[in-house]
Amino acid sequence: EIVLTQSPGTLSLSPGERATLSCRASQSVSNNYVDWYQQKPGQTPRLLIYLASNRATGIPDRFSGSGSGTDFTLTISRLEPEDFAVYYCQQLANSPWTFGQGTQVE
Amino acid sequence: QVQLVESGGGLVKPGGSLRLSCAASGFAFSDYFMAWARQAPGKGLEWVSYITGPGTSTDYADSVKGRFTISRDNAKNSLYLQLNSLRAEDSAVYYCVRANYAFDYWGQGTLVTVSS
Repeated sequence: EIVLTQSPGTLSLSPGERATLSCRASQSVSNNYVDWYQQKPGQTPRLLIYLASNRATGIPDRFSGSGSGTDFTLTISRLEPEDFAVYYCQQLANSPWTFGQGTQVE
Repeated sequence: QVQLVESGGGLVKPGGSLRLSCAASGFAFSDYFMAWARQAPGKGLEWVSYITGPGTSTDYADSVKGRFTISRDNAKNSLYLQLNSLRAEDSAVYYCVRANYAFDYWGQGTLVTVSS
């Protein structure tokens, strides 16, 4: 099983600042099958980034993803008030598909 | 537009069963892997199961293997999850998701509560 470890657990920032979220895999994720989701309280998760670096439809360009192998990063270039949420990474390369434990951006 | 609408959740006693359904619309259902994910109250996301487009292959998280069964009816654009031998730790919101390189569309979720 590929274990995804997200860091930090909580990121305390202000609007306008840059957020850098890390997702580290316990083994290499083939074909960069890493995705990132945003979840706000009481809402369904929303896909932000797929295949490590591709923005999903309708996602603002302040969100970007990068990485390969075992280290992946989600960057929010300038935080907007609506970006304060929990962010999860996920891998679909190997079964069982797994999620990281989440990073809260507050 | 893509829509996924779950139903079938509710309160069930430990050891009991439930069948969740997901009605899909707005896309060629049979062309896509579909999956179920869940989220316990206040906890993170957990993948539960997936099924291929034709329904010929399935897989499960270890935590539900042997107790849950995923299936689909492509003629009805519907996805199902049969939950048997339910435990308290299965209590969660269950999401129907379309799996296309990622979980690109999510239903609104249906709540399953396992309690005596």
